[in-house]
Amino acid sequence: EPEVTQTPSHQVTQMGQEVILRCVPISNHLYFYWYRQILGQKVEFLVSFYNNEISEKSEIFDDQFSVERPDGSNFTLKIRSTKLEDSAMYFCASAGSGGWNTEAFFGQGTRLTVV
Amino acid sequence: GDSVTQMEGPVTLSEEAFLTINCTYTATGYPSLFWYVQYPGEGLQLLLKATKADDKGSNKGFEATYRKETTSFHLEKGSVQVSDSAVYFCALIPGPGANNLFFGTGTRLTVIP
Repeated sequence: EPEVTQTPSHQVTQMGQEVILRCVPISNHLYFYWYRQILGQKVEFLVSFYNNEISEKSEIFDDQFSVERPDGSNFTLKIRSTKLEDSAMYFCASAGSGGWNTEAFFGQGTRLTVV
Repeated sequence: GDSVTQMEGPVTLSEEAFLTINCTYTATGYPSLFWYVQYPGEGLQLLLKATKADDKGSNKGFEATYRKETTSFHLEKGSVQVSDSAVYFCALIPGPGANNLFFGTGTRLTVIP
């Protein structure tokens, strides 16, 4: 079965440091997403990416966040200067040409802990 | 705005018990509704979906019916197994062409032998 892979599974970082969360989506997918879940809260949309650009982003996705698809396979989320409240589980997802109306696949998540 | 409210967990059931996890939604348009499941150590997986009112999604013995009159999409299974232990997420897309999947908080189910 196709699989979205996220690395690392757990990242601990000091407040103010930059982190890059990595995702390898399904190879022929066109839509890419980042979501996060703060412990005990809802899974929240961060950003969607299509055709090499951001197609939609939430209020959470401020100037501290950026996404890239640097080499046609990886899809990365960068947080420039982490805050304690960025501690969460971050999920990457990818979907085919129909977006969410086709089957989308999620990665297993990266748990980010900011100390 | 568009949102999903899910019953809080955790839920603990004995094997072969009947499962219901409640989910209600708020949407301005005509949403599509989903249930995702996350098994320990794995990513979120689509369990089932329904795209219009009165549709029933089903998979692996789980069912959910899209009820517009009660704005609900409750997940049910007649006889749970230990292997069903996971976190279940209700979600919606606001309407055709929408690009944002709204999730509930998730409900952790533990099935004991």
